[in-house]
Formats: sequence, structure tokens, C-alpha cells
Amino acid sequence: GDSVTQMEGPVTLSEEAFLTINCTYTATGYPSLFWYVQYPGEGLQLLLKATKADDKGSNKGFEATYRKETTSFHLEKGSVQVSDSAVYFCALSGAQKVTFGIGTKLQVIP
Amino acid sequence: GAVVSQHPSWVICKSGTSVKIECRSLDFQATTMFWYRQFPKQSLMLMATSNEGSKATYEQGVEKDKFLINHASLTLSTLTVTSAHPEDSSFYICSAEDRGTDTQYFGPGTRLTVL
Repeated sequence: GDSVTQMEGPVTLSEEAFLTINCTYTATGYPSLFWYVQYPGEGLQLLLKATKADDKGSNKGFEATYRKETTSFHLEKGSVQVSDSAVYFCALSGAQKVTFGIGTKLQVIP
Repeated sequence: GAVVSQHPSWVICKSGTSVKIECRSLDFQATTMFWYRQFPKQSLMLMATSNEGSKATYEQGVEKDKFLINHASLTLSTLTVTSAHPEDSSFYICSAEDRGTDTQYFGPGTRLTVL
């Protein structure tokens, strides 16, 4: 079945540091790929998505590229802020359902 | 963007009682909604897929008689936890699928505490 493997956190970075959160997937067919963010005390919000190979999703300075050859969708941001502290979930949309990774907690310190 | 609401945002109930949680898509119609359960420091676990006008599809290991799902309209799905027990305490999250964008939009979640 479909699966998403996500690097375990927590990840602690200083403000303005470069962020990479790794995500790889296993799926049949050609799934859409997503990154969701969950801020403390809130529900999940769609951060960005990509629907086909080589697509790059981007939002709020975050970006991720759909790499079919490596089955990856790594999340990156060039300069993180304290307000980016949250849990980030990688997900794929397969046959009629979405499969989530375990989530990576990011803590950005001033 | 698309908005999904959940009500209530939190609820505390006594063991043995039933609790109903509502999930609404506010600005789009959702023929399919999903119910998830999230345990502390863990990912979301899909419980069931709710289809408007038909029976819900439950994931393996989820008791359909305990977690009753009704999807009565294109904008509303409800989850009823029947005869709740302390082990049912969790964070329940719904999402609604916008087929036009192939994207799920999530509600803010409902924190259930069973005493």
C-alpha cells in the first residue's frame, strides 16, 4: 500500500537558518504530493502541493519539488522564522485517500 | 481559500455517554469527507471515508458501530462516538475534499476527553 516516510524530529534551528525536511514515498500510480503544517493548537493547513513529476510547489517561502526518480518531496526554506515553528506533515493522495507521514516538529529559536 | 469548520472544538463527557462532532464545508460542496484521529506526537490515522448519501467506508480496525458517521448533505458530515470510554479520548479531525483542486481541507479538530 501507499506509505510516506518522513524524517523524525524534532528539528531545532536558529532564526534565518536553512531548513530541509526530508520526505520519501511509496505509491502505485501517480499520486499528488502535499505538505501540511499544524501550528500549536490549530488544525492542519495546506502549505503547498505538487500534482505531477517535476512540479514545484511553493508558499510562504517554502518549496518542494516532486521527484519521481527518487520518489521524494523534500521541504525547503531558505531562512526560517520563529513563526515557522510548527509540525509539518508530508502526505500523498493515492487511491481515494490521503496517507500522511508521521510529522516533523520544527522549533525555531531567536 | 476553502474553509472547513468543526463543532465543538472541545468536549468533555462521562464514560458511557455519546458525543456528536460536526464537520462542515463552508464555501464548497464536498461529496467526500474524511474522519481522522490523531494521537499525541503521532500522525493522523484515517478512521473512515464519508460519502454523501451513502454508507461510510471504515478503515480496518475501526468499529463502525462505535463511530457512527452520517453524511446527510454536501456540506455536513457528523461523527458520533457512542458509549464513549476513556480510551476514546483523542483529537478528532475531519477533512473535506474539493474535487476541483484534488485537495483536502482540514477542520481545526475536536478534542474529546472522556472521564
